[in-house]
Amino acid sequence: GAVVSQHPSRVICKSGTSVKIECRSLDFQATTMFWYRQFPKQSLMLMATSNEGSKATYEQGVEKDKFLINHASLTLSTLTVTSAHPEDSSFYICSARDTSGVGEQYFGPGTRLTVT
Amino acid sequence: AQSVTQLDSQVPVFEEAPVELRCNYSSSVSVYLFWYVQYPNQGLQLLLKYLSGSTLVKGINGFEAEFNKSQTSFHLRKPSVHISDTAEYFCAVSPDSSYKLIFGSGTRLLVRP
Repeated sequence: GAVVSQHPSRVICKSGTSVKIECRSLDFQATTMFWYRQFPKQSLMLMATSNEGSKATYEQGVEKDKFLINHASLTLSTLTVTSAHPEDSSFYICSARDTSGVGEQYFGPGTRLTVT
Repeated sequence: AQSVTQLDSQVPVFEEAPVELRCNYSSSVSVYLFWYVQYPNQGLQLLLKYLSGSTLVKGINGFEAEFNKSQTSFHLRKPSVHISDTAEYFCAVSPDSSYKLIFGSGTRLLVRP
């Protein structure tokens, strides 16, 4: 089946630094990838839609200058949390939409970000 | 705008008992409906989906769900649960014209021996 990987799986950084999270579709092409944020014991909240070769579309309330998204190829999207603060600590999950078939989304295993 | 309601935050059940996890949605357009399972510290795995056709959808791990348009519901069922089914379950909708997923708040299924 389709596999989506995320790297790193867990990261701890100091307040004020930037962190990059990678999302890769391993065996299929994904023109569209999505980035979600999940707080403990809560649901997933869509942050942005990442389209290959174009600018990402951010959901209302998400700061695009803080959460930089780049989708440079059909298999890779990156999320960079700039000038991270403790309130940015969360579980970040990406999904990739298979451009073939019915366009099902496949989810990565998530990245646990802790900002100290 | 679309929204998803999962009324039960937690459902405790004994092993081998049947279970139903409830999901209701609101939408002014046709939608695709999904159920996902999330094990601790992992991403989401698709259990089943309704796109069109038969309203009874069968998924992996013995789960099934029924789409009821008049009641705008998509409840998830399993006739006999296992300890390994303990996880968080999310219902989600996606409008026809978009591939965005809108998730419910999740239901924690706790299977006890």
